[in-house]
Amino acid sequence: QVQLQESGPGLVKPSETLSLTCTVSGGSVNSGGFYWTWIRQTPGKGLEWIGYVYFTGGTNYNPSFKSRVTISVDTSKNQFSLNLKFVTAADTAVYFCAREPRSSARHDYWGQGTLVTVSS
Amino acid sequence: QSALTQPASVSGSPGQSITISCSGTSSDVGGYKNNYFSWYQQHPGKAPRLIIYEVTNRPSGISSRFSGSKSGNTASLTISGLQPEDEADYYCGSYTDSGTRVFGGGTKLTVL
Repeated sequence: QVQLQESGPGLVKPSETLSLTCTVSGGSVNSGGFYWTWIRQTPGKGLEWIGYVYFTGGTNYNPSFKSRVTISVDTSKNQFSLNLKFVTAADTAVYFCAREPRSSARHDYWGQGTLVTVSS
Repeated sequence: QSALTQPASVSGSPGQSITISCSGTSSDVGGYKNNYFSWYQQHPGKAPRLIIYEVTNRPSGISSRFSGSKSGNTASLTISGLQPEDEADYYCGSYTDSGTRVFGGGTKLTVL
């Protein structure tokens, strides 16, 4: 059974960088069959797709984040990471990591989510 | 990219059927990979759970009471034989022709 677990600071100051890591167990990020994805949910609001990384390091980002976001993969640790620069209060959200099988655009396994608050 | 459009809320009594719509454009829901469409169920404080993929398919373990359909730029999720545990938020998700993904704003289902 594939499991994903987010980790990282729960509080980030405005203008700084939000950094989260997703650790995958029961599966390998080195598999060519999946995109490793970050999705967020602002309080009381809907889901927002941030982007994904492939095991090769190739990425695909939501244009709304493109200038601020970097998603990377560490196959040696079976992890992938999210960096979001220059955060503001509007970036306060629950951040989920998820797996997307290629050729489907569905998200079949999700982490439990981690709340990140942007505040001084 | 704009979020897909879902009704904010729907409600139904136990045993009834309800339908949740999800509207997009010819660049996402009705786009060229128009079978890349999914539905998710989310209970409070939990992660979303995939309940429908590729418009009509159910993952293993998902009740046959959940069904999906799509016509043009609008998709629908139908839940038949409504049960109290179906009370949750429901989100649609789609591939877009620019290669990104987009979700709906979510629909709160209340079981009366």
